[in-house]
Amino acid sequence: NAGVMQNPRHLVRRRGQEARLRCSPMKGHSHVYWYRQLPEEGLKFMVYLQKENIIDESGMPKERFSAEFPKEGPSILRIQQVVRGDSAAYFCASSPQSDQPQHFGDGTRLSIL
Amino acid sequence: AQRVTQPEKLLSVFKGAPVELKCNYSYSGSPELFWYVQYSRQRLQLLLRHISRESIKGFTADLNKGETSFHLKKPFAQEEDSAMYYCDGISSGSARQLTFGSGTQLTVLP
Repeated sequence: NAGVMQNPRHLVRRRGQEARLRCSPMKGHSHVYWYRQLPEEGLKFMVYLQKENIIDESGMPKERFSAEFPKEGPSILRIQQVVRGDSAAYFCASSPQSDQPQHFGDGTRLSIL
Repeated sequence: AQRVTQPEKLLSVFKGAPVELKCNYSYSGSPELFWYVQYSRQRLQLLLRHISRESIKGFTADLNKGETSFHLKKPFAQEEDSAMYYCDGISSGSARQLTFGSGTQLTVLP
């Protein structure tokens, strides 16, 4: 089992561009969680998805951010019209059930020029 | 709202000293609680969960329902314990929601 895979590991974008971050959960895991870690800060929950459904998006900014977890393929965190403040490490985690421990990926470090 | 709080953002102790990282929860019923650790340049990983009642790397955590706490403890801290520690929880019978604590950065000084 390869674990949670995130790609790319590093992503550089210019202001105004779009960023797409991918997360492939562990095999057999249908629950996916996205977190953001700003420099010198802790993890902040963004969104929780279960195949094709958004369960909790209370941590997602109201604009420019969206997430999906299609029936086939990885979960995608999409940031439109990126700004400097979006620079952060974005972590994905997955679990087989909602009450089970989460397994984390290595994260995607997003840098905005 | 159901939540987990970690009151200390930073904690420094000397090598060999006892360490306690605090975590309080506000769930009703019997929550499922976890501690995760993130060492420098490594991915976040599960350290321990309360139902297993085991000791991992010398750390233990006991669920105290009276104080609604799940503090992480180690009697003798080591330099390699320096890391970011997160408390996480979920109440029984509900879907996971925003629960991660804000984290405590532990630094063990030589």
